[in-house]
Amino acid sequence: DAKTTQPNSMESNEEEPVHLPCNHSTISGTDYIHWYRQLPSQGPEYVIHGLTSNVNNRMASLAIAEDRKSSTLILHRATLRDAAVYYCILRGFNNNDMRFGAGTRLTVKP
Amino acid sequence: GAGVSQSPSNKVTEKGKDVELRCDPISGHTALYWYRQSLGQGLEFLIYFQGNSAPDKSGLPSDRFSAERTGGSVSTLTIQRTQQEDSAVYLCASSQEGTSGPQETQYFGPGTRLLVL
Repeated sequence: DAKTTQPNSMESNEEEPVHLPCNHSTISGTDYIHWYRQLPSQGPEYVIHGLTSNVNNRMASLAIAEDRKSSTLILHRATLRDAAVYYCILRGFNNNDMRFGAGTRLTVKP
Repeated sequence: GAGVSQSPSNKVTEKGKDVELRCDPISGHTALYWYRQSLGQGLEFLIYFQGNSAPDKSGLPSDRFSAERTGGSVSTLTIQRTQQEDSAVYLCASSQEGTSGPQETQYFGPGTRLLVL
């Protein structure tokens, strides 16, 4: 599996945008970029995924660099409920599992 | 509909005892995954089922760990002769079709917190 690199932690103020970066310099052409988050004492939950184009859904936006070697998860207005560990994961064909790294622990301050 | 459920939610056992952890996937999901998460760590893949068969058992840490799935639904992860290092949260996930490629979303259960004394 291609590896991803994320900052260990980030802080944000409530109601401000948050940009969570992920580097994946060894990504292959068929790898999808997935983001999951894990709230305290819960299992991970899906946030968003994409291949090449930027993606938007009700939870977040995903901005993918043109060379696909990095991506950014964007939370447009952070709330206290967004405090979680955010994982950036690459999934390719023939991958039946997701290799989770340590993720980024997001703290949201009121 | 109902999500992935796991039982028990918490389990305390003594070193050397066997434990069974159960996962009920989302109805109709053919793929099922087990992960382990030690305190403050990311998720470690254990095993994957497609239907009742397990094409990938590469993540099982030792022969004390085994898993089965019956009827294409419920799965049981068994740890024999538990050790203190087995203490972790065991997470189960399911997805609709394990072979549909890299766009597939996995849906996770709340996990079972296992403590081996």
